[in-house]
Amino acid sequence: DSGVTQTPKHLITATGQRVTLRCSPRSGDLSVYWYQQSLDQGLQFLIHYYNGEERAKGNILERFSAQQFPDLHSELNLSSLELGDSALYFCASSVDTGPYGYTFGSGTRLTVV
Amino acid sequence: KNEVEQSPQNLTAQEGEFITINCSYSVGISALHWLQQHPGGGIVSLFMLSSGKKKHGRLIATINIQEKHSSLHITASHPRDSAVYICAVGSQGNLIFGKGTKLSVKP
Repeated sequence: DSGVTQTPKHLITATGQRVTLRCSPRSGDLSVYWYQQSLDQGLQFLIHYYNGEERAKGNILERFSAQQFPDLHSELNLSSLELGDSALYFCASSVDTGPYGYTFGSGTRLTVV
Repeated sequence: KNEVEQSPQNLTAQEGEFITINCSYSVGISALHWLQQHPGGGIVSLFMLSSGKKKHGRLIATINIQEKHSSLHITASHPRDSAVYICAVGSQGNLIFGKGTKLSVKP
């Protein structure tokens, strides 16, 4: 157990639907990062939150949004799902925003059918 | 051209062999990370480097900031080292990933 908890582990849903992925960071970590790993694109950075505030955005679609709550857990919302959104979604946490080590969660495997 | 390039893409080795995976990058970085992803999908952070060399057990990571190059070495490789090894660079607040090197170590 890395200390970063992601739920659910697996999710199967239909096109056009909306899902929410959840991430609880390691105790003491203030930063949460979301990444998407698809077969053809590899790992891609989506978004970074630090202590409740958005710090950086990567290749995140407008259909996707995220937030970090006061208890530091984060949610990634994916809406109007398309087949191409099928991927592994990882979150990672770190203590701060600088060049610190990252701890990854075990990921949520999303399958859109 | 990708900002982070890894080589080789695939690597098959016999148990006991010395293995080297290379990573070159083209952006300014705050740190370079080596990650390991097992077939089940989980990602483990192996090293974070901003200069020099780090060693953990049979794994050694080096970085040359001037040449924008890093290497991950595995000594006395073992079948349990079979995984995808991913190089990632920290740049402007996020990680940019290489496409990974798939390592298979045969007994």
